[in-house]
Amino acid sequence: DTGVSQNPRHKITKRGQNVTFRCDPISEHNRLYWYRQTLGQGPEFLTYFQNEAQLEKSRLLSDRFSAERPKGSFSTLEIQRTEQGDSAMYLCASSSHLRVQFYEQYFGPGTRLTVT
Amino acid sequence: ELKVEQNPLFLSMQEGKNYTIYCNYSTTSDRLYWYRQDPGKSLESLFVLLSNGAVKQEGRLMASLDTKARLSTLHITAAVHDLSATYFCAVVSNRDDKIIFGKGTRLHILP
Repeated sequence: DTGVSQNPRHKITKRGQNVTFRCDPISEHNRLYWYRQTLGQGPEFLTYFQNEAQLEKSRLLSDRFSAERPKGSFSTLEIQRTEQGDSAMYLCASSSHLRVQFYEQYFGPGTRLTVT
Repeated sequence: ELKVEQNPLFLSMQEGKNYTIYCNYSTTSDRLYWYRQDPGKSLESLFVLLSNGAVKQEGRLMASLDTKARLSTLHITAAVHDLSATYFCAVVSNRDDKIIFGKGTRLHILP
């Protein structure tokens, strides 16, 4: 397996447009996390899935953000009506929750969003 | 709600010196991660600490976890320039499995 992949790697959009990002986790991993990172800050938790179920969502996440993981494999994160404040790196990570020794979380390369 | 505090936030040190980065957190947790991030890159996993008293070492880096004190440390021994990066700790909430990151420690090692 080649690790966690994210597409696109870069996205430039105009304010008010909708954008969708995709994350493909490591194949045997049942947990998938989304984070947002702005310059000079640590990653900020957005949401996570166990298989296809979305278990937690940050209270800071507005209704413009939605995430899905329809078959428990890849996940999408959609931002509607983008604002300039949404400009950030969006990171996806996956892990296996079945056995303690696989709690390690692996990150993808990220999608850098710029809203103009 | 779980809060994670790292210090220092910025550290400039000479090669060959030792130093420690601290990670404090506010609620019960027995799982903690340390990551390294180079500029413009994603996060690289360094250590996973899963129980009280856990200690892990890789090269010049050693991490430990004291769940009673809600404290983890990342110790750097005889620093080399290649260790220059930003280091993050991330704590898993026992209540809801959210993973909360510290602000990071930007480490600059002078040759």
